[in-house]
Amino acid sequence: NAGVMQNPRHLVRRRGQEARLRCSPMKGHSHVYWYRQLPEEGLKFMVYLQKENIIDESGMPKERFSAEFPKEGPSILRIQQVVRGDSAAYFCASSGFTGTASANQPQHFGDGTRLSIL
Amino acid sequence: ELKVEQNPLFLSMQEGKNYTIYCNYSTTSDRLYWYRQDPGKSLESLFVLLSNGAVKQEGRLMASLDTKARLSTLHITAAVHDLSATYFCAVDESAGGTSYGKLTFGQGTILTVHP
Repeated sequence: NAGVMQNPRHLVRRRGQEARLRCSPMKGHSHVYWYRQLPEEGLKFMVYLQKENIIDESGMPKERFSAEFPKEGPSILRIQQVVRGDSAAYFCASSGFTGTASANQPQHFGDGTRLSIL
Repeated sequence: ELKVEQNPLFLSMQEGKNYTIYCNYSTTSDRLYWYRQDPGKSLESLFVLLSNGAVKQEGRLMASLDTKARLSTLHITAAVHDLSATYFCAVDESAGGTSYGKLTFGQGTILTVHP
């Protein structure tokens, strides 16, 4: 399966713990996007990364949230000291190009990680 | 700030009927995408609309884009139960080749098709 791979599919944490969500983009894709979906809402952009670079983090909460996409390995979305309001589905998407070359290629989404905070 | 609004948010249809979902957006963009999401699942790409007047059809679904009106429509023809899902439109904020794929999504339309 050459699609976007996210793990874990479900993650349960207690308040104050750390959550790490992983995303491996489609083969050949070097652009990764993270979105958050609250219950019965649309997806909200969080961050856009390329290898070793954060390009746009305008949707990331100012505290406790961080993201990386290292040269080797998956992209990681890290949430420190989780609170109940962090409960959501977190989706990763990837694409292979930007600019005009990307226009007719939709972002490909992973199956998401459902994060539950006890 | 780009805003994307869909209506209706809830749509209950009988099989065999036709209906349209509307997607309005607030700033200039010539890139609009429609996605389908089944409960607990990921997003499946349905249509990519890139220019004014673009129309695309796949089975019982047809999508169109009017960039001047900042409006896209998703038309459902002769609905069947298998079309029951949540449908999202998403707009790329950029235009003119500077896109890097930051999508702003509408709230979603929950479609239920009854026998």
